[in-house]
Amino acid sequence: SQQGEEDPQALSIQEGENATMNCSYKTSINNLQWYRQNSGRGLVHLILIRSNEREKHSGRLRVTLDTSKKSSSLLITASRAADTASYFCARNSGNTPLVFGKGTRLSVIA
Amino acid sequence: NAGVMQNPRHLVRRRGQEARLRCSPMKGHSHVYWYRQLPEEGLKFMVYLQKENIIDESGMPKERFSAEFPKEGPSILRIQQVVRGDSAAYFCASSPLGTGGAGNTEAFFGQGTRLTVV
Repeated sequence: SQQGEEDPQALSIQEGENATMNCSYKTSINNLQWYRQNSGRGLVHLILIRSNEREKHSGRLRVTLDTSKKSSSLLITASRAADTASYFCARNSGNTPLVFGKGTRLSVIA
Repeated sequence: NAGVMQNPRHLVRRRGQEARLRCSPMKGHSHVYWYRQLPEEGLKFMVYLQKENIIDESGMPKERFSAEFPKEGPSILRIQQVVRGDSAAYFCASSPLGTGGAGNTEAFFGQGTRLTVV
């Protein structure tokens, strides 16, 4: 499969804890993107990290990229119940459309 | 600037009927992508169009499925003679440039069309 692989598939944490989701891929990339999907809704873009970048921050989100290991991680700090959603990584290689992983279902318990 | 608009949001078709899914990209976006999502699954790429041209249709079944993005009007994903296995959520995304290569941009998604085949 060309899809990236996220792990864990599901994650349940208490409000206030940090949540870490990982994404691995197999081919070289131009960029890797993280998206969020609330149940029954469309995807919302969170962060894009280019292949020459190692870390990016956006509010409580921190994304790292290790191209030597072909992996990325998304860290959500001080999680809130409203962060409950599915999180997907999507890789882009060349002029190809985004290829999505199966996602991590995050549940934040108040 | 309205987001990506998809309609209908929900569509019920009987086996053998045709389904037409519409997607109006964000203003100024000439790149459109269609994805399909089964419950508890990720998004599977179907087709990539850029105004009147199909750039990549490698993810779209050769039979019964077709897509277009005319010069004027929305992009249409058409499924002929639907079967129960076509039941899924179909998402459209657009971007101002391609999402990779020199484009290197994010994609903006619509809310999806949920197709149910009965």
